[in-house]
This record gives sequence, C-alpha cells and structure tokens, in this order.
Amino acid sequence: SQKIEQNSEALNIQEGKTATLTCNYTNYSPAYLQWYRQDPGRGPVFLLLIRENEKEKRKERLKVTFDTTLKQSLFHITASQPADSATYLCALAPGSGNTGKLIFGQGTTLQVKP
Amino acid sequence: ETGVTQSPTHLIKTRGQQVTLRCSSQSGHNTVSWYQQALGQGPQFIFQYYREEENGRGNFPPRFSGLQFPNYSSELDVNALELDDSALYLCASSLRRQGGTGELFFGEGSRLTVL
Repeated sequence: SQKIEQNSEALNIQEGKTATLTCNYTNYSPAYLQWYRQDPGRGPVFLLLIRENEKEKRKERLKVTFDTTLKQSLFHITASQPADSATYLCALAPGSGNTGKLIFGQGTTLQVKP
Repeated sequence: ETGVTQSPTHLIKTRGQQVTLRCSSQSGHNTVSWYQQALGQGPQFIFQYYREEENGRGNFPPRFSGLQFPNYSSELDVNALELDDSALYLCASSLRRQGGTGELFFGEGSRLTVL
C-alpha cells in the first residue's frame, strides 16, 4: 500500500543545533515533495518544494534533500531557534502532480529549547 | 498571512445536520483545494476545484461536495454529519500552471465539532 511516514515522536533539541526531520514514502513516484510548517490551531505554511530531478534545495537556514532511490526526504534547520518550534509536515504530489492532490505525512513536532 | 480567508472559524453541529464552509482564495490564484485534518494527523485531501470544476477527489463519500465560483472562491458542503467529521477543515489556494499546482497557500481553517 502507499504510505508517507514521518517520525511521530517529538524531536527535542537545544538552541543552536541542527534539527533533522525525516520523511519516508513507499509505492509512490512523486513529481515533487514539499515541506510545510504548522503552528497549533493554524493552517500549514509552505516552506520548500523540491522536484524529483533535484537532489537538494536551500532557503536561508533550511535545507531539503530528496533521494528518489531511498524514497526519502530530509529536512534540516541549521542554527535552530526556539521560534522554530512547530509541527513540520512533508507532502508529496503523486504522479504528474497536475491533480493538485497532496499526500501529507502525519507531521513531526520540533521543540527547540533555549 | 496568506490572503486565504475561511469562515466560520469555529462551529458546532449535531449528528445528521448539514454544514457549509466558505473560502476566499488568494488574489491571482485559480485553484482551490480542501483538506480535512483530524487532531494529531496530517491534512487529508478532499477535493480540488479548477475553473469551477472538480479536478481530483480524495477518498471521501459523496456527502462531501463543493463549489467554486467565478471569482475563485469556494464552498465545502457536508451533509448528514457524523461524529468522525469533527476536524479542522482547511482551504488552500494555488496557481495551477504547467508542471503542477505547486505550493499551497492555506487559510487558518474552520474547526468543526459534531456532537
């Protein structure tokens, strides 16, 4: 069956360290993969999109990798800050990506301690 | 802020009732998607509207229906409400172009509680 999985356990790290979140998927060949941030009671906010032919994407302190052989994406936040504490969702677009359907993982909650 | 507005923000209904949720998309966006998010879970795709027509549907029964208007705003209707319909309903607008829909811009959601 098709699955997209994120670590359901919360990730607790110290301020200044690098946070690494994992997204694994099975039985999909996604056109692209996206990462979103969601704060409690709020809608998700888009962070980064990486296409199937891209290995890595960066934006300020954020970095995303995409390994279509391993069927895995890693999301890194360098020099983490308490303000980075939130739930991070990965989402993939199955097939050509033209239907607009995104399949979301269940999210990983990141807690950055000062 | 994304420019996507949803109403109402919170509502309580009883089992068997009907509900209509509304969404105004971000200026310049031609596509609206609806997602259901249960507590502690990721959003689940309900359906998407492009040029006023349904363009993709998730695994939701027909009692979940929708509309998109010429100004690209949208409604989600749910009939015969069940307890399991209690969730945060998220609307997301986007600009459909070649290569896919790209990133979604979500509203803050409508929190539905069914008693």
